[in-house]
Amino acid sequence: SQQGEEDPQALSIQEGENATMNCSYKTSINNLQWYRQNSGRGLVHLILIRSNEREKHSGRLRVTLDTSKKSSSLLITASRAADTASYFCATDQSGGYNKLIFGAGTRLAVHP
Amino acid sequence: NAGVTQTPKFQVLKTGQSMTLQCAQDMNHNSMYWYRQDPGMGLRLIYYSASEGTTDKGEVPNGYNVSRLNKREFSLRLESAAPSQTSVYFCASSEAPQPQHFGDGTRLSIL
Repeated sequence: SQQGEEDPQALSIQEGENATMNCSYKTSINNLQWYRQNSGRGLVHLILIRSNEREKHSGRLRVTLDTSKKSSSLLITASRAADTASYFCATDQSGGYNKLIFGAGTRLAVHP
Repeated sequence: NAGVTQTPKFQVLKTGQSMTLQCAQDMNHNSMYWYRQDPGMGLRLIYYSASEGTTDKGEVPNGYNVSRLNKREFSLRLESAAPSQTSVYFCASSEAPQPQHFGDGTRLSIL
């Protein structure tokens, strides 16, 4: 069974718009990570947020974590066509051994 | 900067055949991982190796074996391939608890 569930499964927006993806999980975690996957490629790490953090920024990315609701969101601002990819959340509940459990992902399409 | 290298990139097998997927990393990471990704799903952990000389089962280990040959290399073996093992296989490495670095995958079809 998978720990994370992402919502929506697919998202289609225009360039310049913001994209928000949500992730819910079931058990307590050490950290939550977001990864991106371009078609036919491996995953690339975007951002990591620890269980004692509530918000984190990296460039056009903003991640929030609500441990009371067991949920996280990824916001991509001013999206570009190059942001078209699948985005996955992954939770580490292994005490820092980085044994991750991935959600099913959100497929983002950004149209020029 | 090679990062994580997986070979082969594509493979077609017949049911019952055996095969070893190879993975090598050049980042001197202690931890290595094997995942499978099925259509419309996220990655599921098959096996991982927290350090050289150790391996542990993940979420879906049945039908697979692994070998941590040295610090750089971590191989995944299918002893008797089944159609249910048709998938894309990803290898990753990390210096836990830092994020994982992934290879580009091996696309495996079993007929």
